[in-house]
Amino acid sequence: NAGVMQNPRHLVRRRGQEARLRCSPMKGHSHVYWYRQLPEEGLKFMVYLQKENIIDESGMPKERFSAEFPKEGPSILRIQQVVRGDSAAYFCASSPRRQQPPNEKLFFGSGTQLSVL
Amino acid sequence: DQQVKQNSPSLSVQEGRISILNCDYTNSMFDYFLWYKKYPAEGPTFLISISSIKDKNEDGRFTVFLNKSAKHLSLHIVPSQPGDSAVYFCAASDTGTASKLTFGTGTRLQVTL
Repeated sequence: NAGVMQNPRHLVRRRGQEARLRCSPMKGHSHVYWYRQLPEEGLKFMVYLQKENIIDESGMPKERFSAEFPKEGPSILRIQQVVRGDSAAYFCASSPRRQQPPNEKLFFGSGTQLSVL
Repeated sequence: DQQVKQNSPSLSVQEGRISILNCDYTNSMFDYFLWYKKYPAEGPTFLISISSIKDKNEDGRFTVFLNKSAKHLSLHIVPSQPGDSAVYFCAASDTGTASKLTFGTGTRLQVTL
């Protein structure tokens, strides 16, 4: 039973390019969460999605960032026109249902380390 | 605005001794707290949680204590083992926005032989 799969593990982009980060949730999980960890900081919530729906995007920067979780395929976090400040580890988590309260059924992937040159 | 704070970036403990990791929060709406453990190049893994209606929760070698009046929680690991060496994150949520966790900055625990 594979866990939450994120790819790529490492992504290098030059300023102004686009970054696409992929997350395949655990089998049977239909809820996906994206978190970002800047250097020397804790993980910060970005967005919560169900299949084909954005439920909570209160942590997403207003510009350049978007997320989707289509009916088929992985969830995608897209960052347009990347800047150096976007360099961070991006973690995806999944759960079988809405976490209320959150508990041990929320599983994190190993993350994508984005480096912007 | 750091709503969850872990003021000790690192902690070193001898094998067999007790490790105590601390966490403070400022948002009185938080009513559910979790501890995650993270190894390098891996995602966080759930360790233990506690609801605000309790003041203690125990799971094997791990115990979490919650002091609501002080807005403080702590994780005790007894006895500490070398495999416990990792970064530990405290996280909190309120049931109104339960899908969103607020994390602290983490404490790196090193268990020495």
